[in-house]
Amino acid sequence: DAKTTQPTSMDCAEGRAANLPCNHSTISGNEYVYWYRQIHSQGPQYIIHGLKNNETNEMASLIITEDRKSSTLILPHATLRDTAVYYCIVDGDDKIIFGKGTRLHILP
Amino acid sequence: EPEVTQTPSHQVTQMGQEVILRCVPISNHLYFYWYRQILGQKVEFLVSFYNNEISEKSEIFDDQFSVERPDGSNFTLKIRSTKLEDSAMYFCASSLLRPRGGVGTQYFGPGTRLLVL
Repeated sequence: DAKTTQPTSMDCAEGRAANLPCNHSTISGNEYVYWYRQIHSQGPQYIIHGLKNNETNEMASLIITEDRKSSTLILPHATLRDTAVYYCIVDGDDKIIFGKGTRLHILP
Repeated sequence: EPEVTQTPSHQVTQMGQEVILRCVPISNHLYFYWYRQILGQKVEFLVSFYNNEISEKSEIFDDQFSVERPDGSNFTLKIRSTKLEDSAMYFCASSLLRPRGGVGTQYFGPGTRLLVL
């Protein structure tokens, strides 16, 4: 089973920031937090990852709490194309164990 | 931007037939994976492959499944005798590195939709 807990679904207005939370209270010291997303019927897409520090790239920002027990993925200006299932992954192995993720609906 | 490609995009086969799904990973990547997703369900790990051998496989990856990297570019998944329950989307993925403690950044292909009749 996945080691993370995410809300089943969320809505966000187009143009606003989408903040997707993830709880990973059993994370161990050397485990990274990864975020992927799956747009309908497409292959999962890597978004961002981090260990301790906050990270930002051209797609999103990742905020990890100091105790590393939770994190938030931020899509700064959500568009309709960001409608997808978002997966928070914490794993020390090289395979990805996908949970159910958060289904994000971007509302026009 | 380099990407993982998969062929065919769709495959229809009769139960009991053999199918081969093909993938071309990103050229300098070293780790290769197959996942599958039954319609409406989660993406499930099947197998990982590194240095020309299987690194790990799931319970789903039984004797009917095999993987091969026949040349320097292709990575294939063979199902010897397909069953109805093999109908799914199959995704190939590759990664360059496996960072300590992490899954590595895996890049997924667009998938092959397999339908077994």
